Amino acid sequence: GIQVEQSPPDLILQEGANSTLRCNFSDSVNNLQWFHQNPWGQLINLFYIPSGTKQNGRLSATTVATERYSLLYISSSQTTDSGVYFCAVEKPGGSYIPTFGRGTSLIVHP
Amino acid sequence: NAGVMQNPRHLVRRRGQEARLRCSPVKGHSHVYWYRQLPEEGLKFMVYLQKENIIDESGMPKERFSAEFPKEGPSILRIQQVVRGDSAAYFCASSPGQPNEKLFFGSGTQLSVL
Repeated sequence: GIQVEQSPPDLILQEGANSTLRCNFSDSVNNLQWFHQNPWGQLINLFYIPSGTKQNGRLSATTVATERYSLLYISSSQTTDSGVYFCAVEKPGGSYIPTFGRGTSLIVHP
Repeated sequence: NAGVMQNPRHLVRRRGQEARLRCSPVKGHSHVYWYRQLPEEGLKFMVYLQKENIIDESGMPKERFSAEFPKEGPSILRIQQVVRGDSAAYFCASSPGQPNEKLFFGSGTQLSVL
């Protein structure tokens, strides 16, 4: 199956700092999504981004499908950004099952 | 708009008992996915269902686990004769349909097996 690697595995920031999270995948994909799992376990869909760049407030994401990676940018981080960030990809021609990476655990200190 | 609703939020079972986890998808969504998450790990796919059909169950153990998504009512993930290794968070997600649709997750059910 497709391999999804996320880096870094852990990240600690001071409030106000910027960060970049990376998601590499081993095969062509026709769908990529970024999720945030908050400290209470809730998973929120941040972006549906099979290619190109999208922005939502302080968050933005870029997927370069031809080079098999996606980046999630967090600017001016806040303590509420803490949690785990997952990317999930789907292979074309498959049964549309998103495969998740192991995530990046982010802690933002006040 | 109600999101994906899972219940119960927490479920405690003794070894050998049955666990039933329920998932009501977003209204109008006909695709349901079940994932399992162990501590410090990502989400592992278990089963993908559409109304009255199992599309892919390649991630589900062959024994003791079953899932359904009837024409009426919630999707059910059933675990028979639970063992301690079944302790995990079980998440349900729904999407409107294929292809290439956003996934929306429920809050999960934390299963603890004593």
